[in-house]
Amino acid sequence: AQSVTQLGSHVSVSEGALVLLRCNYSSSVPPYLFWYVQYPNQGLQLLLKYTTGATLVKGINGFEAEFKKSETSFHLTKPSAHMSDAAEYFCAVSAGGYNKLIFGAGTRLAVHP
Amino acid sequence: DAMVIQNPRYQVTQFGKPVTLSCSQTLNHNVMYWYQQKSSQAPKLLFHYYDKDFNNEADTPDNFQSRRPNTSFCFLDIRSPGLGDAAMYLCATSRDQLGIDEQFFGPGTRLTVL
Repeated sequence: AQSVTQLGSHVSVSEGALVLLRCNYSSSVPPYLFWYVQYPNQGLQLLLKYTTGATLVKGINGFEAEFKKSETSFHLTKPSAHMSDAAEYFCAVSAGGYNKLIFGAGTRLAVHP
Repeated sequence: DAMVIQNPRYQVTQFGKPVTLSCSQTLNHNVMYWYQQKSSQAPKLLFHYYDKDFNNEADTPDNFQSRRPNTSFCFLDIRSPGLGDAAMYLCATSRDQLGIDEQFFGPGTRLTVL
């Protein structure tokens, strides 16, 4: 069975500082991994995904994530935080034969001046 | 722009009064999903359609049902809403049901049960 653990339900950074949101997964088969962002009262928007190939994945809004099989991790980073990055971030793994997404509990990112 | 649309954005109903939430898509995707997201929690899949084939998650209560009359539309029916059903309901679509297919989400409908 697949599962996702996001370490830190709340992360706070200063504007311009590095953003690091942690995600560890468990999967019995090679995983497909996703990061989604959710702004208040909005749906989820895909930031990036890992399927196969290059382990460093670049996404929208300057975010990137690195798939590390040995560590079963897929951490999300951004070199310099912007106020507009404040949102909830969900890591997800694709499970089963019908594209079922298993989400982590989410990390709320706050960016302060 | 191709998109996933949910109506209404906010829905208030009374305890036990049936309610229907609507989702439509202009992406012409084969798969449509319904998720329930309670406050400060992760989205939880309720069920999905692959074309006309309905797939219910094992732990989805019988109180929740869905209809997909055509490719573009999908409805979530809550037969007798309880206070515990207050949540954000998210509709999503994907082109196919392969694990690599991106899911596109609508903005959600926030349901309040009085």
